[in-house]
Amino acid sequence: DVVMTQTPVSLSVSLGGQVSISCRSSQSLVHNNGNTYLSWYLQKPGQSPQLLIYKVSNRFSGISDRFSGSGSGTDFTLKISRVEPDDLGVYYCGQGTQYPYTFGAGTKLELK
Amino acid sequence: QVQLKESGPGLVQPSETLSLTCTVSGFSLTSYSVSWVRQPSGKGPEWMGRMWYDGDTAYNSALKSRLSISRDTSKNQVFLKMNSLQTDDTGTYYCTRDLTALAYWGQGTLVTVSS
Repeated sequence: DVVMTQTPVSLSVSLGGQVSISCRSSQSLVHNNGNTYLSWYLQKPGQSPQLLIYKVSNRFSGISDRFSGSGSGTDFTLKISRVEPDDLGVYYCGQGTQYPYTFGAGTKLELK
Repeated sequence: QVQLKESGPGLVQPSETLSLTCTVSGFSLTSYSVSWVRQPSGKGPEWMGRMWYDGDTAYNSALKSRLSISRDTSKNQVFLKMNSLQTDDTGTYYCTRDLTALAYWGQGTLVTVSS
């Protein structure tokens, strides 16, 4: 199985600040069809995860441009700028290139 | 709009079989795939398996021997059955609409395995 390693485990940020979350995969996430199926999800307390970014850098419908994804191969980054209170929760990266789909262990974003 | 809703028993006895239903609206099961994902409390999600839009299925190899996913397109429902449940199967179970990513999630249903 592809192992997804997220760092850091937790982050403290001031409102209005910027943060980056790293995600590394144990194998390349480039699919045979040329696409890279790396996604980012946010799970707010008591809620289901919600999709933020798909295929590395594409924002899902309704997602603010304060969220941006980048990376290639095995190294990926999620950046959040101008952090707002509604951004707090646990962020997960996930890969859909190879079965079984796998997720990172999560990065908890908290207020400083 | 796209909606998914899980239903099923909240409590299952050890060694028994779990049966869950995902009822969808706002899209067709013959156009989109649906995946089941579970999440133990305080841990990351685990992908369990998928019902493809064409009726084919894919399973997490770690669960394949215990898991079955099926559907009834006329009722807009996808079903999950998993046997021989143990306490470490406790968690929240979600169904999700699955394309290039898990784009839409149900509210989840908490399943507790306990005698």
